[in-house]
Amino acid sequence: DAKTTQPTSMDCAEGRAANLPCNHSTISGNEYVYWYRQIHSQGPQYIIHGLKNNETNEMASLIITEDRKSSTLILPHATLRDTAVYYCIVRVVGGSQGNLIFGKGTKLSVKP
Amino acid sequence: DTGVSQNPRHKITKRGQNVTFRCDPISEHNRLYWYRQTLGQGPEFLTYFQNEAQLEKSRLLSDRFSAERPKGSFSTLEIQRTEQGDSAMYLCASSRAGGGGNEQFFGPGTRLTVL
Repeated sequence: DAKTTQPTSMDCAEGRAANLPCNHSTISGNEYVYWYRQIHSQGPQYIIHGLKNNETNEMASLIITEDRKSSTLILPHATLRDTAVYYCIVRVVGGSQGNLIFGKGTKLSVKP
Repeated sequence: DTGVSQNPRHKITKRGQNVTFRCDPISEHNRLYWYRQTLGQGPEFLTYFQNEAQLEKSRLLSDRFSAERPKGSFSTLEIQRTEQGDSAMYLCASSRAGGGGNEQFFGPGTRLTVL
């Protein structure tokens, strides 16, 4: 799986949009971009994933650049409960490979 | 609650003892994964099962570690002769196999402390 690069930490004001960047310049054509987050003392939680089109769900939006070498996770109206470590992961979907390869992620602190 | 459950949530043991953790996946999921997470790091993959077959094992899974999923439902992870370096959070996840998103759903983890 391709390696990803994320900032170590970010701050965001409550109620504002949180934009979390991720670089994945060596991504292959069959690799998806996944985002998970981990709130303190809990297991990771799936947020969203995409291949090349922008995606939106009830939690977040995922913007993938046209060359697919980077992406941005957007939390439109961050709340204090969004304080967590956010992981960007690229992986092939399907087949026999199963594991997720986590980096250190971005620690997002949402402040009042 | 039909999510992934793990037991126990916390385990304190003395060095050299054996410990066993249990994971109950989401019922319709045929893939089950084990990860280990140490402080300040992201989770690291240990092994995964599709139904009862163990399909992949990480180099992190030394010969003191063994995982089973005998009937393709719950799984156990055993650590023999524990060492202080085994202290970590052990996470279990489950997913459907194949195509689409097959995103993994994680349990709350078992925190192991080896004294």
